[in-house]
Amino acid sequence: EAGVAQSPRYKIIEKRQSVAFWCNPISGHATLYWYQQILGQGPKLLIQFQNNGVVDDSQLPKDRFSAERLKGVDSTLKIQPAKLEDSAVYLCASSFGSGGFFGQGTRLTVV
Amino acid sequence: AQSVTQLDSQVPVFEEAPVELRCNYSSSVSVYLFWYVQYPNQGLQLLLKYLSGSTLVKGINGFEAEFNKSQTSFHLRKPSVHISDTAEYFCAVRGGGGNKLTFGTGTQLKVEL
Repeated sequence: EAGVAQSPRYKIIEKRQSVAFWCNPISGHATLYWYQQILGQGPKLLIQFQNNGVVDDSQLPKDRFSAERLKGVDSTLKIQPAKLEDSAVYLCASSFGSGGFFGQGTRLTVV
Repeated sequence: AQSVTQLDSQVPVFEEAPVELRCNYSSSVSVYLFWYVQYPNQGLQLLLKYLSGSTLVKGINGFEAEFNKSQTSFHLRKPSVHISDTAEYFCAVRGGGGNKLTFGTGTQLKVEL
């Protein structure tokens, strides 16, 4: 069974630039999550989708972050403009019914 | 609201020694509990989970955890660690009917020869 795919693995950008991350969940998983993991901290939920609808985006900084899940499959997370404090690993996961499956993450460095 | 506390940020241990990683949670509703492992530059991998039933849960790689409702704890244990167990370990809680996972800050397990 293929796992959760994320790209790119690494990204370095300057502050005030924009960046986008892509996630392809496990086939058939209706629920998709984006987590932000800052160095030394546990992952923090940014947004949760059920199919293509948003279930929880209470911790998403909506002035600069946006996410979409077209057709209820792939998802993209965008940051515009990026700040230094956005440097983190962005993890995508699908379905927590049995504990959830995580991708390898995208490590973003904002300089 | 729910929260998770992992009191130990780092745990050094010698190879073949036993280890316990502590996790305490708070929630106003019944919970599901999870332990994840994260190797360097990797995503999170599920070690084990407690959903219901027996309070002693066995997971992969020889790990086990015990759910203690009265102490609101879910400590992770392994009787004999290996060098390859060196990684970051995260405890997480999911409360009630929601699907949101709340993570602790993680414990870095360092196994030494």
